[in-house]
Amino acid sequence: DQQVKQNSPSLSVQEGRISILNCDYTNSMFDYFLWYKKYPAEGPTFLISISSIKDKNEDGRFTVFLNKSAKHLSLHIVPSQPGDSAVYFCAALETDSWGKLQFGAGTQVVVTP
Amino acid sequence: NAGVTQTPKFQVLKTGQSMTLQCAQDMNHNSMYWYRQDPGMGLRLIYYSASEGTTDKGEVPNGYNVSRLNKREFSLRLESAAPSQTSVYFCASSEGGGIGNQPQHFGDGTRLSIL
Repeated sequence: DQQVKQNSPSLSVQEGRISILNCDYTNSMFDYFLWYKKYPAEGPTFLISISSIKDKNEDGRFTVFLNKSAKHLSLHIVPSQPGDSAVYFCAALETDSWGKLQFGAGTQVVVTP
Repeated sequence: NAGVTQTPKFQVLKTGQSMTLQCAQDMNHNSMYWYRQDPGMGLRLIYYSASEGTTDKGEVPNGYNVSRLNKREFSLRLESAAPSQTSVYFCASSEGGGIGNQPQHFGDGTRLSIL
C-alpha cells in the first residue's frame, strides 16, 4: 500500500519555464518531507526538504510547498534548466521512525530547449 | 570525496546462488540503509542500521540479511537468490535519522539480475 504517490510519471517543460511536480500522501503521521533528484546510473541526491510545521521552503530555484490539510506537496523549479532533466522522487518520514523514508514512484522531468 | 561506495556495480546471478553486496561510507555517519528500486516504483527500505551494532527490518526484508561490520560498512546478503530479487539496490547513510540538515546520502547502486 503506497503511502506516497506521484501520479505524474513524466513532465516535459521548456527551458526557462516553471516545472511543477506534485506529490500526495496518505499517512497523517508523516511530518517531514524531502525531494530527491536522480540521474541515470547514479544514486538519488538530496534536493530540498520541509518540515510539517512549515508550508513553504525555498532554496535558490527550488521551492517546496506543503498543504497538510490536503496531504499534498509540490516542488517548483523556476526557471527550469536542461540540467534539471532527471527523475524526481518525493519522500516522507515520521520523525519517530528513524530514517524509514517512504518514496513515491518518481516523476521524469525533461527540459527541452 | 567518495561519499557512499557500493560494490559491485553490476552482477548477474543464477537462481539459488548467494551473494553479498558491499557498502562503505566515509562521512562518519551513524546510520546506514539498504533500499531496492523496481521499475515504476519508488525505493523501498530493506534493512537499516541506526547505529553501529544494531540492525532492523524495513519494509521488504524477506530473503535478505545484513551485517553492520563497523561504522563505515554495511553489507546486504542474498542467501538464495530468486528472480523476484532482480532490482537495483541502493545503500545510503545519514547522521541521525535523516532529517533537518542531515539527509540520507546514496551510493550509485548495484544492478542485480537473477536468471
